[in-house]
Amino acid sequence: GDSVTQMEGPVTLSEEAFLTINCTYTATGYPSLFWYVQYPGEGLQLLLKATKADDKGSNKGFEATYRKETTSFHLEKGSVQVSDSAVYFCALYNNAGNMLTFGGGTRLMVKP
Amino acid sequence: DAGVTQSPTHLIKTRGQQVTLRCSPKSGHDTVSWYQQALGQGPQFIFQYYEEEERQRGNFPDRFSGHQFPNYSSELNVNALLLGDSALYLCASSLVRGSYEQYFGPGTRLTVT
Repeated sequence: GDSVTQMEGPVTLSEEAFLTINCTYTATGYPSLFWYVQYPGEGLQLLLKATKADDKGSNKGFEATYRKETTSFHLEKGSVQVSDSAVYFCALYNNAGNMLTFGGGTRLMVKP
Repeated sequence: DAGVTQSPTHLIKTRGQQVTLRCSPKSGHDTVSWYQQALGQGPQFIFQYYEEEERQRGNFPDRFSGHQFPNYSSELNVNALLLGDSALYLCASSLVRGSYEQYFGPGTRLTVT
């Protein structure tokens, strides 16, 4: 079945540091890929998406590129802020399953 | 534009009891999916409803059941609660065309004692 693997956290960075959170996936066909963010005590917010190979999703300074050859969708941001502290989830959607499959989440902590 | 809403926010139940959680989708959406998120883990798909029918189901026992109403709102019912059912239950809405783009509600925190 489909699966998503993300780097384990927590990831602790200083403000303005560069962020990378690794995500790889296993899926049949051509899934769509997503990053969701979850702030403490809240539900999930869609951060960015990519629906086909080589697409780059971007939002609020975050970027991720759909790499089919390496089955990866790594999240990057050039300069993190304290307000980016949250849990980040990588996910895929496979049309055959009509559902999102999530990774285990990566907690990011940004210190001033 | 109202987003996805869920009720109640928190709930405490005893083992063996039954619980009903409610979800109202984002305006214009016709499909509702439910997910279970255990503490420290990623959400797990329970099922999806469209046109008042269960469209897809994840690997959850029959104790988990659902319903979708004509106004697209939905309920999740869990019978014979177990301690392991303690989790954050998330509802997500989407359009059946393009249901890959799902919008989540704030969740209901269920604690089973």
